[in-house]
Amino acid sequence: SQQGEEDPQALSIQEGENATMNCSYKTSINNLQWYRQNSGRGLVHLILIRSNEREKHSGRLRVTLDTSKKSSSLLITASRAADTASYFCATDKWGGSEKLVFGKGMKLTVNP
Amino acid sequence: NAGVTQTPKFRVLKTGQSMTLLCAQDMNHEYMYWYRQDPGMGLRLIHYSVGEGTTAKGEVPDGYNVSRLKKQNFLLGLESAAPSQTSVYFCASSPGTSGSWYEQYFGPGTRLTVT
Repeated sequence: SQQGEEDPQALSIQEGENATMNCSYKTSINNLQWYRQNSGRGLVHLILIRSNEREKHSGRLRVTLDTSKKSSSLLITASRAADTASYFCATDKWGGSEKLVFGKGMKLTVNP
Repeated sequence: NAGVTQTPKFRVLKTGQSMTLLCAQDMNHEYMYWYRQDPGMGLRLIHYSVGEGTTAKGEVPDGYNVSRLKKQNFLLGLESAAPSQTSVYFCASSPGTSGSWYEQYFGPGTRLTVT
């Protein structure tokens, strides 16, 4: 069963623009993570936000978490062609779980 | 460090054949995972392990078996391959300790086609 659902499923923007991706989930969580997958490659961890955090930054990435709405957003600022990839949110379940549940992913295309 | 490696990268099987996918990690991670990725389905967990000698079922375990005889290796077996097992398989590992809880490191994937 899918815990996270990314929205939109696909996004196409111009280089330099900001890209925002949203993730909604169903159950209480400990952490929410975002991963990137370039075409034909494995997933790469981008950022983790804990359930007691509301916002986190890493370079050009900004993640927010609203546990009351069970949603998160990933903002990529000043996008580059190299940001073209699929992005996945992943959650674990409150109470501790060694398992992550991944969303179906969102395809971001950044046009030069 | 090589990180997480997977062998082979590509494989074509006939229905009914068997094979083993090998995953190796050199980060001394406790947890290891096998996922399959299909178009429009995201990643689905097949089996996982929280330590040497342990395995557990994930979301889609049927038709697969696993073994974790050594901490650094996690094997995924298909005893009798079916076309429905055509997929891209990813192995991942995780420290399994607090501080970097459950951040997973992925291998490059194995593309398996069953005809």
